[in-house]
Amino acid sequence: QKEVEQDPGPLSVPEGAIVSLNCTYSNSAFQYFMWYRQYSRKGPELLMYTYSSGNKEDGRFTAQVDKSSKYISLFIRDSQPSDSATYLCAMTSDSWGKLQFGAGTQVVVTP
Amino acid sequence: AAGVIQSPRHLIKEKRETATLKCYPIPRHDTVYWYQQGPGQDPQFLISFYEKMQSDKGSIPDRFSAQQFSDYHSELNMSSLELGDSALYFCASSRPTGPSGTYEQYFGPGTRLTVT
Repeated sequence: QKEVEQDPGPLSVPEGAIVSLNCTYSNSAFQYFMWYRQYSRKGPELLMYTYSSGNKEDGRFTAQVDKSSKYISLFIRDSQPSDSATYLCAMTSDSWGKLQFGAGTQVVVTP
Repeated sequence: AAGVIQSPRHLIKEKRETATLKCYPIPRHDTVYWYQQGPGQDPQFLISFYEKMQSDKGSIPDRFSAQQFSDYHSELNMSSLELGDSALYFCASSRPTGPSGTYEQYFGPGTRLTVT
């Protein structure tokens, strides 16, 4: 079983809807949580970086971490067709450490 | 803003050949990471360097080696290439930021290696 579980999708939503993504993990040592966006054949782009539990908001993006449940979420408000991409969660136990990625969720926002 | 630079972007090699991938981190970033992403898979950590010293090692085959140079650029050397080495190879760089010293990893565009 993988340390980080993420539904690969695809997740299809109409333009303007809220996209809800999540990951679960098994390693309680993870303290730093990230969300990356990856377009096809491109490098992952860092969207959100969160330390420990709590919420963080940046524009249309909100990241939530619940360490007690080992569950993290990313919400994208007012979704646009340009948000269509694969979203990867990643986490690490040390801030400088190697990232453990989820499988990535493919999101399709239809006009 | 400057990003991570990787070269070459595409590389085609035959089995048993060698390949060298280069990574130029974001200026003033002192840590470099290498990841391998197979088709339809998530990135897998290979190796990392901090201040030119190896800081961590993941599932990197013995046929691969890497180093970080005095100007902080890094090279991943791959020998005796196998068909299964065909993948996207990403380099990421980071440095501590903020009061908690978090290291946000910024990824390069990747090198697509095809072994035939």
